[in-house]
Amino acid sequence: SQQGEEDPQALSIQEGENATMNCSYKTSINNLQWYRQNSGRGLVHLILIRSNEREKHSGRLRVTLDTSKKSSSLLITASRAADTASYFCATVLTGGGNKLTFGTGTQLKVEL
Amino acid sequence: GAVVSQHPSWVICKSGTSVKIECRSLDFQATTMFWYRQFPKQSLMLMATSNEGSKATYEQGVEKDKFLINHASLTLSTLTVTSAHPEDSSFYICSARDWTGSQNGYTFGSGTRLTVV
Repeated sequence: SQQGEEDPQALSIQEGENATMNCSYKTSINNLQWYRQNSGRGLVHLILIRSNEREKHSGRLRVTLDTSKKSSSLLITASRAADTASYFCATVLTGGGNKLTFGTGTQLKVEL
Repeated sequence: GAVVSQHPSWVICKSGTSVKIECRSLDFQATTMFWYRQFPKQSLMLMATSNEGSKATYEQGVEKDKFLINHASLTLSTLTVTSAHPEDSSFYICSARDWTGSQNGYTFGSGTRLTVV
């Protein structure tokens, strides 16, 4: 079953603009992770934020976590055409072992 | 960094035959690996957790007799789709976690596109 829902399902922006994706989840988590998937390929880990953290940065990526609202956001600044991909949030549930449960994903298209 | 190799990257098989997919951790040992299934334009659904030296743990609704998982060593897990049918056509992805890494994220294989004709 899906733990998280993401919105928007699809996002189309121009190169240079910022892209924001949101993820909501249902139960208590240990951490939340964001992954990127190019079409027909495996997933690449982008960033992990722990349940006791509120914000994290990595290059052009900024992730926030609000455990009271059970939500997270991924911001990609100064987007590039090469950022075109699907982005998924994924959670490790409290007491859920090491299982990673994925959200529904956002398809991002960055146009020149 | 941690690398997971998945093979084959794509396979076409006839209905009724079995297909084996391999997942190897190349530079780390993985006592646990995970198998996911992904339909077009959808998210990843966890099928099962593969445990080295013991039986796999299957998610609800996944037929363990149809999707056989073997994790005989610390670096290799295999998923065998038995008596495949067209509805089994999907993208199958494995993952493992390198506990020694600083990122603490999971490493994924490049996936296997299975088409059953």
